[in-house]
Amino acid sequence: EPEVTQTPSHQVTQMGQEVILRCVPISNHLYFYWYRQILGQKVEFLVSFYNNEISEKSEIFDDQFSVERPDGSNFTLKIRSTKLEDSAMYFCASSAGQTSDSPLHFGNGTRLTVT
Amino acid sequence: AQKVTQAQTEISVVEKEDVTLDCVYETRDTTYYLFWYKQPPSGELVFLIRRNSFDEQNEISGRYSWNFQKSTSSFNFTITASQVVDSAVYFCALSETANTGNQFYFGTGTSLTVIP
Repeated sequence: EPEVTQTPSHQVTQMGQEVILRCVPISNHLYFYWYRQILGQKVEFLVSFYNNEISEKSEIFDDQFSVERPDGSNFTLKIRSTKLEDSAMYFCASSAGQTSDSPLHFGNGTRLTVT
Repeated sequence: AQKVTQAQTEISVVEKEDVTLDCVYETRDTTYYLFWYKQPPSGELVFLIRRNSFDEQNEISGRYSWNFQKSTSSFNFTITASQVVDSAVYFCALSETANTGNQFYFGTGTSLTVIP
């Protein structure tokens, strides 16, 4: 069964450094997302992306965050200058359709630790 | 205000017991979708079920069953004859049609521990 893959599984970085989290969505999916889960808390929406542009973003997704689909397969989340509070599990997801009933298929997540 | 409320933070049951995980949602949309996801200790999010607001028929899949009641805005999940492998955090989620970005609202999750 096709799946969303994320790399790396765990990234440790120093405060102020830039990080890029990488995702390969399911190949025939058109809608891509990033979600975040701070340890022990709920999963929070960051951003959705369609047709090479952001379609929706949350308050969390401020100017230090950016997303890109650099080629036909990858979808990346960049954090420009990491802060301690950015430490979390970051989930990439994709869906086939834009209608609300399209389930999100999540990757296994990247655990980001900012020291 | 919380759009999805999972009041049970942690539940422990002994193997083979039945357990119900509660989910209450809030929306003004007439068309919406509800989901359950499982997050095992390994951390990934696994899709379990999707239900649209027009279909209140209960669904059973093996040991899993779901009870959707619009009158009480609830979408509860029951595991029958629980097993140790069911130990995980379970998230209920809501998606509204007003969302252009297909944003899901997740509950805070219920951590289920099945004791052998």
